[in-house]
Amino acid sequence: SQQGEEDPQALSIQEGENATMNCSYKTSINNLQWYRQNSGRGLVHLILIRSNEREKHSGRLRVTLDTSKKSSSLLITASRAADTASYFCATDAGDYKLSFGAGTTVTVRA
Amino acid sequence: DAGITQSPRHKVTETGTPVTLRCHQTENHRYMYWYRQDPGHGLRLIHYSYGVKDTDKGEVSDGYSVSRSKTEDFLLTLESATSSQTSVYFCAISERGQGSGQPQHFGDGTRLSIL
Repeated sequence: SQQGEEDPQALSIQEGENATMNCSYKTSINNLQWYRQNSGRGLVHLILIRSNEREKHSGRLRVTLDTSKKSSSLLITASRAADTASYFCATDAGDYKLSFGAGTTVTVRA
Repeated sequence: DAGITQSPRHKVTETGTPVTLRCHQTENHRYMYWYRQDPGHGLRLIHYSYGVKDTDKGEVSDGYSVSRSKTEDFLLTLESATSSQTSVYFCAISERGQGSGQPQHFGDGTRLSIL
């Protein structure tokens, strides 16, 4: 079963707008990771946030983590056409695997 | 980009035939993983390896076997392919195992269709 669940399933925004997507999970984690997948390609690691961190930035990406609510959000600011992709959260509970959600598909309109 | 090559990239085969997918890495990473990706399910772990000849099952391992005879190669075999195994298969690598905070690096996938 999936540990992480992304919301919304799909998001369509205008170029220049911000995109926000959320991830909820069920059990305690060591860290949470966000990945991007362009059509027909493999996943690319974007950012990792550890369980003792609340917020992290990388370029136009901002990730928050609320362990009390078991949720995380990914914000992409000033979106570009190249941000069109599917975004996945993955939780690391310290066992043998990452658990991926089903993803949020983001479409950035010109 | 991490040096991960999956082969073949596309394959169509018939039910009941054996199929082997190959993952080759040039990063000398210890951990290697096989996932399948299906609509609505995200990625699900099939098998993983934590060293040469060291492998273990993931959450959807039934009908699949793996082998790792060299650090750089991780093979996934479908002993007798079924239509439910039609999927996109991804290989991933990481320097250290889960819990260490190491990200995984993915290949570009193999699209497998079983008719």
